[in-house]
Amino acid sequence: AQKVTQAQTEISVVEKEDVTLDCVYETRDTTYYLFWYKQPPSGELVFLIRRNSFDEQNEISGRYSWNFQKSTSSFNFTITASQVVDSAVYFCALSEGFNAGKSTFGDGTTLTVKP
Amino acid sequence: DSGVTQTPKHLITATGQRVTLRCSPRSGDLSVYWYQQSLDQGLQFLIQYYNGEERAKGNILERFSAQQFPDLHSELNLSSLELGDSALYFCASSVGGGPNEKLFFGSGTQLSVL
Repeated sequence: AQKVTQAQTEISVVEKEDVTLDCVYETRDTTYYLFWYKQPPSGELVFLIRRNSFDEQNEISGRYSWNFQKSTSSFNFTITASQVVDSAVYFCALSEGFNAGKSTFGDGTTLTVKP
Repeated sequence: DSGVTQTPKHLITATGQRVTLRCSPRSGDLSVYWYQQSLDQGLQFLIQYYNGEERAKGNILERFSAQQFPDLHSELNLSSLELGDSALYFCASSVGGGPNEKLFFGSGTQLSVL
C-alpha cells in the first residue's frame, strides 16, 4: 500500500524567509508519480508540480523549487523569499502507475506567512 | 478560474437522505475525478470516469455512486447519508487521464449532514 507522510502539520514564517515543506512517501511500485498541490484559504486545489519516479532532477519555478530524492523517498518543496500570498495548505500526493488522478494524499501542511 | 464548475457550492441535508453533486469539466477534458476532503479522512480519491466509463476506483463507499454523461458532465450520488459524510467534495478534470496531465479542480461542494 502507498503512504504519504507530511510530518509538519503547521509552519509559520515571516515574509521573505525561506521555508521547506517535507514529504516522505512509501510505495512498492517502481513507476509512480509525485505531486504537490496548494489549497489557499479560498478552498480550491491548485496543481503545482508533478514528478515521475524516473526523473530525479530538481525543478525550480520562480520562487518554488522541489527536491526529489529516491534514496530517501522524499519529495520536498521549498519556497524562497516567502510572501503572504503563499499562505495555504500544501498537499503532497503519490499515484502509482499511469493514472495521475488516482492519488494518495498526505495530511497537508498549513503554511502561514506573516507580514 | 480553473474552468471546472461544481454545483451546488453548499448543501445541507439530514441523515438518511440522498443528494446529487454535479461537476462540469473544462471544455475538451474527457476525464473527471471525484475526491472527498474531510477532517477525519483527509483528502481521498473516490472515483474516475473517462469519456463516460469508469476508469479507476478509490475509497468510495457502496452508498456512493457516480456517472459521467454523454456531454461529459458528471454526477456523484450520495445516499443514506451519515454524519460522517459531511465533507468537501471536489471534482477535477483532465484531458485524458494520462500520467503527464495536469488536473484542474473545481471549487468544491461543501456537504453538511445534520
